Amino acid sequence: DQQVKQNSPSLSVQEGRISILNCDYTNSMFDYFLWYKKYPAEGPTFLISISSIKDKNEDGRFTVFLNKSAKHLSLHIVPSQPGDSAVYFCAASDGTSGTYKYIFGTGTRLKVLA
Amino acid sequence: GAVVSQHPSRVICKSGTSVKIECRSLDFQATTMFWYRQFPKQSLMLMATSNEGSKATYEQGVEKDKFLINHASLTLSTLTVTSAHPEDSSFYICSAREVWSPREKLFFGSGTQLSVL
Repeated sequence: DQQVKQNSPSLSVQEGRISILNCDYTNSMFDYFLWYKKYPAEGPTFLISISSIKDKNEDGRFTVFLNKSAKHLSLHIVPSQPGDSAVYFCAASDGTSGTYKYIFGTGTRLKVLA
Repeated sequence: GAVVSQHPSRVICKSGTSVKIECRSLDFQATTMFWYRQFPKQSLMLMATSNEGSKATYEQGVEKDKFLINHASLTLSTLTVTSAHPEDSSFYICSAREVWSPREKLFFGSGTQLSVL
């Protein structure tokens, strides 16, 4: 059972436009979410996080929105740059578990076209 | 920033041999380490969680006798794939966090590509 899903396996966006990556989850106990960027054969690189007590967090070009009632979060990248081309994973954790383990989504491959 | 070193980056072995992957935290005390594996074009699947000095907790469906995890010190965790078979070929990634650190402070190694012939 995939608790964290990214339903779009790939996304292409023109340079300078907005990229919107979506993530859905099923476990209502998840209370902390991360977005990671990953290149092939490398470990993930942390981008931005959001706690369930917030509905928005912004860091430079990256903004994450959380809709708890819909169990949905999204990552907005604006403006998109060719260097943003990578696979993006969302990850979720349940703080009450005490382990802080993260469950990853299936990933979305973003391609930013110059 | 915090650094997690994972070694080796790539290993090719014969079927039936055992392979050890090391994960080291270089500038912080990794009280908890997580091991993931990733198949091509798929998600990072959590295999196990290990806390320093105690036995690892394995996720459902992960064979603990096949994937031996040792977390004997605050800076080192190892994953040993015992009697490896071609279906164990995958990309393995470790991550580490320090107790009381913010929840987003989860640092990843660069991964190990295991190919079993």
